[in-house]
Amino acid sequence: QSVLTQPPSVSGTPGQRVTISCSGSDRNIGKSAVNWYRHFPGTAPKLLIYSNDERPSGVPDRVSASRSGTSASLAINGLQSEDEADYYCAAWDEDLSAVLFGGGTKLSVL
Amino acid sequence: QITLNESGPTLVKPTQTLTLTCTFSGFSLSTHGVGVGWIRQPPGKALEWLGLTYWDDDKRYSPSLKNRLTITRGTSNNQVVLTLSNVDPVDTATYYCVHRTAASGTSAQLDYWGQGTLVTVSS
Repeated sequence: QSVLTQPPSVSGTPGQRVTISCSGSDRNIGKSAVNWYRHFPGTAPKLLIYSNDERPSGVPDRVSASRSGTSASLAINGLQSEDEADYYCAAWDEDLSAVLFGGGTKLSVL
Repeated sequence: QITLNESGPTLVKPTQTLTLTCTFSGFSLSTHGVGVGWIRQPPGKALEWLGLTYWDDDKRYSPSLKNRLTITRGTSNNQVVLTLSNVDPVDTATYYCVHRTAASGTSAQLDYWGQGTLVTVSS
């Protein structure tokens, strides 16, 4: 069981906005930056968001994220079929001195 | 351009020791702030962080694997080796080598990943 809690699945139709939540504690999200990864099965995961809300080069601005207290969320606007993937949040845990991943959220585009 | 490639056995027997090598290019593990680590994903399950070695040779490990896991620098300057002892079928997973960016203030910011290697633990 992951210490960072994500919904197992979310879905939306093309053009919609979807959000994925990530809940932690004051030992991890409350103290450390949150990062988000997109994973297409069979390929290497990709850094999607770093430092809570920053996008690496090449990530479109319809992808955004935020952190508040001990929770974080990822938002995708203008949903496209190619957004269908697994999404993971990750943060450093001060008490464990380890990186924690969320349990992952499968995004389906209907 | 930063690249990482994992290599090692695809099949390991229970109780044996798994050794995987990450060969990287495009950066130096001696650069301040840089780290190289390992992530795995069992079939149908979530990503799991295993551990990380830093530019200053400091290391951090997953608490759940700390007693069985070692991450060291390889014989070449561009290699990092994962050793997992006493493996069990639950260790069956795709193992990824990852780069921790020097500019990051957190070890959870992993900006480059290898393609991964599937390791099966079975007798």
